Amino acid sequence: DTEVTQTPKHLVMGMTNKKSLKCEQHMGHRAMYWYKQKAKKPPELMFVYSYEKLSINESVPSRFSPECPNSSLLNLHLHALQPEDSALYLCASSQEAVSNQPQHFGDGTRLSIL
Amino acid sequence: GENVEQHPSTLSVQEGDSAVIKCTYSDSASNYFPWYKQELGKGPQLIIDIRSNVGEKKDQRIAVTLNKTAKHFSLHITETQPEDSAVYFCAASTGGFKTIFGAGTRLFVKA
Repeated sequence: DTEVTQTPKHLVMGMTNKKSLKCEQHMGHRAMYWYKQKAKKPPELMFVYSYEKLSINESVPSRFSPECPNSSLLNLHLHALQPEDSALYLCASSQEAVSNQPQHFGDGTRLSIL
Repeated sequence: GENVEQHPSTLSVQEGDSAVIKCTYSDSASNYFPWYKQELGKGPQLIIDIRSNVGEKKDQRIAVTLNKTAKHFSLHITETQPEDSAVYFCAASTGGFKTIFGAGTRLFVKA
């Protein structure tokens, strides 16, 4: 079982809906990440939080809004998404917000936009 | 920026045979090279990693080699089993928060 828990596992939403993806880890990791993965493609980095502060935003559209309420939780708020946003959204964490740290991934939320 | 190329895109082997996946990277500053295995319906899971001060690392049936001069690194799986069937991603990191992934190799192990 993965040590990074993501909920929900599946989400179907309309383009006008607002929803949130949640991620939780209890490994004491201080860096957390959101990735987007399309079918048969590698994960693409969206956001990085280090010590609960946003460190990297990979020019992600504002309809995706990340939030890190505390060191164990990471949210991704979704609003007015487009059909092309349908994908697997992966959360990951690493021990420190420095180099050479393996990332631990959750099993993702499969998002479908109608 | 860093670019990671991965080959082959698909690999089919007979159970018990060896499988080799190769990657090249472009940024000579890259110093950390993890390999991830992604099974259907799951997130990527780290299977082995290597740092730039090491040329080879082995963990049971899995080994990774690194040639810094040629900017190549490879994953070797020996005595393959059907449960090794998955998508494998190589990756490279220069030391920041960003990990650049290869395009992935879909490995099929035929029983």
